[in-house]
Amino acid sequence: EDKVVQSPLSLVVHEGDTVTLNCSYEVTNFRSLLWYKQEKKAPTFLFMLTSSGIEKKSGRLSSILDKKELFSILNITATQTGDSAVYLCAVLRAGSYQLTFGKGTKLSVIP
Amino acid sequence: DSGVTQTPKHLITATGQRVTLRCSPRSGDLSVYWYQQSLDQGLQFLIQYYNGEERAKGNILERFSAQQFPDLHSELNLSSLELGDSALYFCASSDGTEGNTIYFGEGSWLTVV
Repeated sequence: EDKVVQSPLSLVVHEGDTVTLNCSYEVTNFRSLLWYKQEKKAPTFLFMLTSSGIEKKSGRLSSILDKKELFSILNITATQTGDSAVYLCAVLRAGSYQLTFGKGTKLSVIP
Repeated sequence: DSGVTQTPKHLITATGQRVTLRCSPRSGDLSVYWYQQSLDQGLQFLIQYYNGEERAKGNILERFSAQQFPDLHSELNLSSLELGDSALYFCASSDGTEGNTIYFGEGSWLTVV
C-alpha cells in the first residue's frame, strides 16, 4: 500500500520567516509527487515533481524531489499571512490515476 | 477557481438517508475523480471515471456509488448514511492523461445528524 508521511503536522511562524515542509513516501512504481495548498476548501495545485534533483519554483515557493531517499521538501521564503494553509503532498504511481495523500502540514503565519 | 463545479456546497441530512452530490468537470476534461476528506483520515480516493466508464476504484463503501454521464458530469450517491460519513467530498478532474495534473472543486460539505 502506498504511503505518504508529512512533517511537521503543524507549524507556527512569524511573517518573514522561511519554512521547510517535508514529505516522505513509499510507493510502488513511482511516477510523480504533487504539492497542493488547501486554504478553506479546494486543494489548489502548486507543483508536480517527476525528476530527482530538479527544483521547481514559483515566486517564494520552491520544491525539490529526491527519488533515491524518497522524499520531497517544499520551501516558502519570506512567509506572509496569506501563506497560512494546509499543505498537502500526494504521490502518483505509474499506470494509476489515483493520488495518495499525506495528512498535510498546517502552516500558520502570524504577523 | 479551478473550473470544477460541485453542488451542493453544504448538506445536512439524517442517518439512514440518501444524498446525491453533483460535479461538472473542467471544460475539456474527460476524467472525474471523487475524494473524501475527513478530519482523521485525510484525503481518500474513492473512485475515478473516464469518459463515462469506471477506471479506478479506491476506498469506496458499497453504500456509495457513482456514475459519469454522456455530458461528462458526474454524480456520487451516498445511501444509508451514517454519522461517520460526515466529511468534505471533493470532485476533481483532469484530461485523463497519465500523470497529468488533477484539479479539485470546492467540495461538498456533508453533515449527517
